Amino acid sequence: SYVLTQPPSVSVAPGETAKIPCGGNSIGSKRVNWYQQTPGQAPVLVMYYNNQRASGIPERFSGSNSENTATLTISRVEAGDEADYYCHVWDSSTDHMIFGGGTKLSVL
Amino acid sequence: QIHLMQSEAEVKKPGASVKVSCKASGYSFSSHGFGWVRQAPGQGLEWMGWIGAYDGKTNYAQKMQGRVFMTTDSSTNTAYMELTSLRPDDTAVYFCGRLISGFELYYFDYWGQGTLVTVSS
Repeated sequence: SYVLTQPPSVSVAPGETAKIPCGGNSIGSKRVNWYQQTPGQAPVLVMYYNNQRASGIPERFSGSNSENTATLTISRVEAGDEADYYCHVWDSSTDHMIFGGGTKLSVL
Repeated sequence: QIHLMQSEAEVKKPGASVKVSCKASGYSFSSHGFGWVRQAPGQGLEWMGWIGAYDGKTNYAQKMQGRVFMTTDSSTNTAYMELTSLRPDDTAVYFCGRLISGFELYYFDYWGQGTLVTVSS
């Protein structure tokens, strides 16, 4: 079955740029979505179809997807961006959805 | 505005079943399907399956086959997820999500607040 691999954690200082990778075999051929989740809350859609920002998401958030890695980039990171981030795809070969294991973004 | 309201927390014994509801408001219920995702304590998100908007067609994760059943009731704008033969490792928060589907594109744009299901003897 298809697997999405994320680093458990990424740390960045306020004002810097955070890059959260999501690895998968030929993930560049899939449509990748990203969700943000803070403790005790439901996930929130931040990016869909690789690089389309969801409603209400700041322009500081951007997405890219190529070959074997999709990346969520957060520019000018703020303390409020501290959360878990999950990548997500639909796998056509199984007609199933898959989530990455999640990455905890820490703002130092 | 669009809102998904889930049922309250449940405590069940091993072997029992649980049925979680997700009541939608703020949009045409029949225009979107629903997906269900669960999250065990301290763990990541796990897709359980989805139910289509128009025909009620279901698609369940391999791991859940035979134990999960998803339905919708358009008269009350409510989606349901029933999980049977509960085990302690089914203890998790269960989320519903409004499904956006298109050509090779599937995602959830709105989510319910989550329902904690605890399985314990």
